[in-house]
Amino acid sequence: QVQLVESGGGLVKPGGSLRLSCAASGFTFSDYYMSWIRQAPGKGLEWVSYISSSSSYTNYADSVKGRFTISRDNAKNSLYLQMNSLRAEDTAVYYCARVLRYSSSWPLDYWGQGTLVTVSS
Amino acid sequence: EIVLTQSPATLSLSPGERATLSCRASQSVSSYLAWYQQKPGQAPRLLIYDASNRATGIPARFSGSGSGTDFTLTISSLEPEDFAVYYCQQRSNSRLFTFGPGTKVDIK
Repeated sequence: QVQLVESGGGLVKPGGSLRLSCAASGFTFSDYYMSWIRQAPGKGLEWVSYISSSSSYTNYADSVKGRFTISRDNAKNSLYLQMNSLRAEDTAVYYCARVLRYSSSWPLDYWGQGTLVTVSS
Repeated sequence: EIVLTQSPATLSLSPGERATLSCRASQSVSSYLAWYQQKPGQAPRLLIYDASNRATGIPARFSGSGSGTDFTLTISSLEPEDFAVYYCQQRSNSRLFTFGPGTKVDIK
């Protein structure tokens, strides 16, 4: 069965950096686009970034562009999010999700359980 | 940037009742719309994609309709496990994603 397991969250000071990981299993990871989505405490969902299956294409929300970098290692079935220059407003649960690109709406059909990132001094 | 608006913010209903949730886009998104359900402490779950297609394993009481700017998620008869927050999500032609603010369906 499809499993996505995030790790790497924690407490970091404003201006600091953190790298999130997402370990995928139960499907051919290299066939799928992957995405990161976040949810601030008590708030709604915010899309962060996605990456193509071969890493040739990435896209970012304006709120993180220039600070966050998405990457993947298909040999390790892993997705990453490098987060730099972190701000208090980046505090959220970060989810990784699989993108169903063959559907026109590019739905996110499987999600991990999330990892909490807290940015505070 | 395409903005999604969901209404109502909260829907108070009883089990067995019909729920009708709305999602409106600030400009046409064709049928590039999905719906998700999220329960407290859990990750979101995909319900509907391409505006009207049920995801794998989703009960038939969930249905989606609409195209362009106006979309509807209907739950024909609420089960106790359906009380949750529902989000719509679109994928724009520039391949950016946005989510709506959510509709909470709670028990009356």
